[in-house]
Amino acid sequence: AQTVTQSQPEMSVQEAETVTLSCTYDTSENNYYLFWYKQPPSRQMILVIRQEAYKQQNATENRFSVNFQKAAKSFSLKISDSQLGDTAMYFCAFPANSGGSNYKLTFGKGTLLTVNP
Amino acid sequence: SAVISQKPSRDICQRGTSLTIQCQVDSQVTMMFWYRQQPGQSLTLIATANQGSEATYESGFVIDKFPISRPNLTFSTLTVSNMSPEDSSIYLCSVGRGQDGYTFGSGTRLTVV
Repeated sequence: AQTVTQSQPEMSVQEAETVTLSCTYDTSENNYYLFWYKQPPSRQMILVIRQEAYKQQNATENRFSVNFQKAAKSFSLKISDSQLGDTAMYFCAFPANSGGSNYKLTFGKGTLLTVNP
Repeated sequence: SAVISQKPSRDICQRGTSLTIQCQVDSQVTMMFWYRQQPGQSLTLIATANQGSEATYESGFVIDKFPISRPNLTFSTLTVSNMSPEDSSIYLCSVGRGQDGYTFGSGTRLTVV
């Protein structure tokens, strides 16, 4: 069974600084996708960034980037120039190909990030 | 990406009653997913709903407790039946697949008293 592990329950960072959230996963598949989602207090799940496993280049979306290490099954999220609006719960997620017809998302336990002024 | 309208956004219910949550998608989708997020926890998949067939439930979730309807390719409902305080959670619907990414409804915050 696929698993997703986020080992940092909580993190804090000063505004304008950089922070990295870690995520490891376990899978026997070769081609897959990995996601980071953000959940602010509004509880809306917002896609932050997506990585395709067959692409060696790390994904980047403005201030958000990933460090994807396929062999190590590691998928960390780096947030540069942190802003107060980045305060949220961050979930690493992995869609499992279950029987070829059902791509269910498995989530890590989440990291609560607080950006301090 | 798809846009999902989820209703209600929140509700406070008496124990023993039932609540039906609705999700409307602005495009046709094959699969819809229903998640539960208990207070301070991550998301746990309840079931996958395909149009025209019975939903597939995850371990620990049963149809009698969480009946799901999927009458067409743009709409689904989840009912939380015979509620107890332990059912107090956020419930979210989602659509998508790996290569396209996933979109979520805005969530329903349920409090059972």
